[in-house]
Amino acid sequence: EVQLVESGGGLVQPGGSLRLSCAASGFIFSSHWMHWVRQAPGKGLVCVSRINGDGSSTTYADSVKGRFTISRDNAKNTLYLQMNSLRAEDTAVYYCARESDGSGWFDPWGQGTLVTVSS
Amino acid sequence: DIQMTQSPSTLSASVGDRVTITCRASQIISIWLAWYQQKPGKAPKVLIYKASTLHSGVPSRFSGSGSGTEFTLTISSLQPEDFATYYCQQYNSYPYSFGQGTKLEIK
Repeated sequence: EVQLVESGGGLVQPGGSLRLSCAASGFIFSSHWMHWVRQAPGKGLVCVSRINGDGSSTTYADSVKGRFTISRDNAKNTLYLQMNSLRAEDTAVYYCARESDGSGWFDPWGQGTLVTVSS
Repeated sequence: DIQMTQSPSTLSASVGDRVTITCRASQIISIWLAWYQQKPGKAPKVLIYKASTLHSGVPSRFSGSGSGTEFTLTISSLQPEDFATYYCQQYNSYPYSFGQGTKLEIK
């Protein structure tokens, strides 16, 4: 079964840091672009970052550029999102998602991990 | 960046109804559009990709159409499990972007 399981969310103060992890199983992890997508409480979905199969190419939304770093460890089948200088507006459920078909739609998604930035 | 606009934002309907949700892109995206269903507290699930291709395991009452900038998702006969929020997503260019969502409610 293809599965993604996120971890690492929690409560952090403004200006703090957090690292999210996404453990993948059931597919050849290194063959897929992987993404982080977030959803603020009661709001819609926003793409945050993506990384290609071997980790050599990354892209970020303008809102997180310079603060967040996406990475992957293909030996461990794990995707990461290092989040620094966190702001209240970063509060959201963070999902990891596999890009299917190499074309840009997402399947599957992880269950999500909640990040709350508050003092 | 490409902006995606869905309409309506909320839709009230009854079991058995046929419903249509519209998604418009701010620029041409060919057929690079997906539709997702999200239930409260759960991750989104893909229904349709490449504008009209039904994902494996998705009931045939769901269908998608369109190309360029205008797209539709149709549910031919609503079932109780279909009441959820639906999102369109363009993947023509990154940052991939989603519509604001359409909440399908029971009338």
